[in-house]
Amino acid sequence: ETGVTQTPRHLVMGMTNKKSLKCEQHLGHNAMYWYKQSAKKPLELMFVYSLEERVENNSVPSRFSPECPNSSHLFLHLHTLQPEDSALYLCASSHLQGNTEAFFGQGTRLTVV
Amino acid sequence: DAKTTQPNSMESNEEEPVHLPCNHSTISGTDYIHWYRQLPSQGPEYVIHGLTSNVNNRMASLAIAEDRKSSTLILHRATLRDAAVYYCIVRNSGGGADGLTFGKGTHLIIQP
Repeated sequence: ETGVTQTPRHLVMGMTNKKSLKCEQHLGHNAMYWYKQSAKKPLELMFVYSLEERVENNSVPSRFSPECPNSSHLFLHLHTLQPEDSALYLCASSHLQGNTEAFFGQGTRLTVV
Repeated sequence: DAKTTQPNSMESNEEEPVHLPCNHSTISGTDYIHWYRQLPSQGPEYVIHGLTSNVNNRMASLAIAEDRKSSTLILHRATLRDAAVYYCIVRNSGGGADGLTFGKGTHLIIQP
């Protein structure tokens, strides 16, 4: 148990569906992150929220839409995804200083059919 | 973040020490060296981090070269549960808003 909780753990969705991934932390962290991990590829940073403001969007397609309503919660809204978007989606949180560790959730295994 | 270079895979025997190397020749003076590991079907897990001096914690030791261009993660007595992908990441001291940049890491295989 890392203190970062992701739900659901597994999700199967059709290409026309809309779904949301949820991430929650009560560690007092002020930065939260979404990562994507495709099979046999390194983790890719998708979005960064610092003090509830989005500070980075690494050219992620608009079918992925993040939301950070407060410092403890982070969402990733999904719509009209493609089969190649099937991956493990990981949430992490940390303090803003670079000399502190990040804590990761267990991830959501997403399959797009 | 500075680029890091790690071997793709390493193999070791159970109950033996393991030394995982990492090169980070473009590291700057304010960059920290972080290590994470990812067990199968789990999210990455923090292992250790340091700036200049060697560091020890309950999981591992981190040996940092004097010129800081390389470092070594040391698992003193590997167990089967240490089989994972180990990532070496260099992160600026003010870099929390940048996230962590992961490479391919080293896949550590532990033989019983």
